[in-house]
Amino acid sequence: AQSVTQLDSQVPVFEEAPVELRCNYSSSVSVYLFWYVQYPNQGLQLLLKYLSGSTLVKGINGFEAEFNKSQTSFHLRKPSVHISDTAEYFCAVTPGSGNQFYFGTGTSLTVIP
Amino acid sequence: DTGVSQNPRHKITKRGQNVTFRCDPISEHNRLYWYRQTLGQGPEFLTYFQNEAQLEKSRLLSDRFSAERPKGSFSTLEIQRTEQGDSAMYLCASSPGGGPQHFGDGTRLSIL
Repeated sequence: AQSVTQLDSQVPVFEEAPVELRCNYSSSVSVYLFWYVQYPNQGLQLLLKYLSGSTLVKGINGFEAEFNKSQTSFHLRKPSVHISDTAEYFCAVTPGSGNQFYFGTGTSLTVIP
Repeated sequence: DTGVSQNPRHKITKRGQNVTFRCDPISEHNRLYWYRQTLGQGPEFLTYFQNEAQLEKSRLLSDRFSAERPKGSFSTLEIQRTEQGDSAMYLCASSPGGGPQHFGDGTRLSIL
């Protein structure tokens, strides 16, 4: 079975500071990994995905994530955040078949002016 | 816009009533998923279709819940005899095969 752990439920950070949102997963099979962002009263938008190949994945809005198989992690980073990055961020994992996505409980990022 | 569309956006109903939600996926996507999201939680998988076939259902999907995708295009999720605990955001997503899922904006259900 797969599961996703997002250790930080809330992350406050000052504008233009760097941020890292942590994601760890557990799985007995190869997986695909995703980060989604959710703004209030909206659905989830895909930020980036890891399917195979380079372990450093670049996404939209200046975000990137690094897949670390030995640590079963897929942390999300941004070197300089903006006010508009304030939102809920979800890490998700799916086995290679992609039949079912497992989401973490989310990290609420608040960017402070 | 060719994104995933969900209707209605909000639904308020009395306990015990039946409700039905609709999802129109991205047209070329053969997979369609339903999720439930409660406050402060990530989406929880309910069920998924490949074309018109419902291939997987979660234990969360009680007998009061039923989903259909009759022609392999739009899907409906019906909840019968609603209960307070059914209050949540119901999200629909679609994907081409096992690729990234594209989400709609959800239907927020409130049970009075």
